[in-house]
Amino acid sequence: NAGVTQTPKFQVLKTGQSMTLQCAQDMNHNSMYWYRQDPGMGLRLIYYSASEGTTDKGEVPNGYNVSRLNKREFSLRLESAAPSQTSVYFCASSSGTSWYFGPGTRLTVL
Amino acid sequence: KQEVTQIPAALSVPEGENLVLNCSFTDSAIYNLQWFRQDPGKGLTSLLLIQSSQREQTSGRLNASLDKSSGRSTLYIAASQPGDSATYLCAVRPGYSSASKIIFGSGTRLSIRP
Repeated sequence: NAGVTQTPKFQVLKTGQSMTLQCAQDMNHNSMYWYRQDPGMGLRLIYYSASEGTTDKGEVPNGYNVSRLNKREFSLRLESAAPSQTSVYFCASSSGTSWYFGPGTRLTVL
Repeated sequence: KQEVTQIPAALSVPEGENLVLNCSFTDSAIYNLQWFRQDPGKGLTSLLLIQSSQREQTSGRLNASLDKSSGRSTLYIAASQPGDSATYLCAVRPGYSSASKIIFGSGTRLSIRP
């Protein structure tokens, strides 16, 4: 039981490049989430998926897209990276009460 | 709109002291509230979950309380140890559904001095 896994752990992009952050959970949770964490601002919700096949925007969705590939996997895509997207990205899954977070992806956009 | 605030942003205390971390929220209509711990460069680990009908939860040296009417929660840490050094985040699930989006405070960075 690995919990929530994320890849990659670190990434450096140039402005305008694209990339996909991968997330997978093995706890059979319906709900999955993508957050970004910036200094002094806590965690802000980017997108979430309440169940397989559904996705919804969170607080800061601009510049991002998501795919809920199946119940296990929820990916986050940056189509054209911008310096403002430099952040630490966390994926989470939830059963409604218990929450589990991945180790995070530290992304720098130059 | 629900907002979650944690003050102070940072706290440093000597080892062995009992301490209290504070969390406040603007709307008393919450489903539950959770306290998390985050170590540097790591993800979040859930510490305690309090349902809206509960007043407190305890786990070892940790005790979390909830007062919905005043929009406050506290995390009490007894006999603090250097290993307790971390950032502690409070998160609220607003409304009346387990499916609502969780809202985080910005955290309190705790440092325990040996």
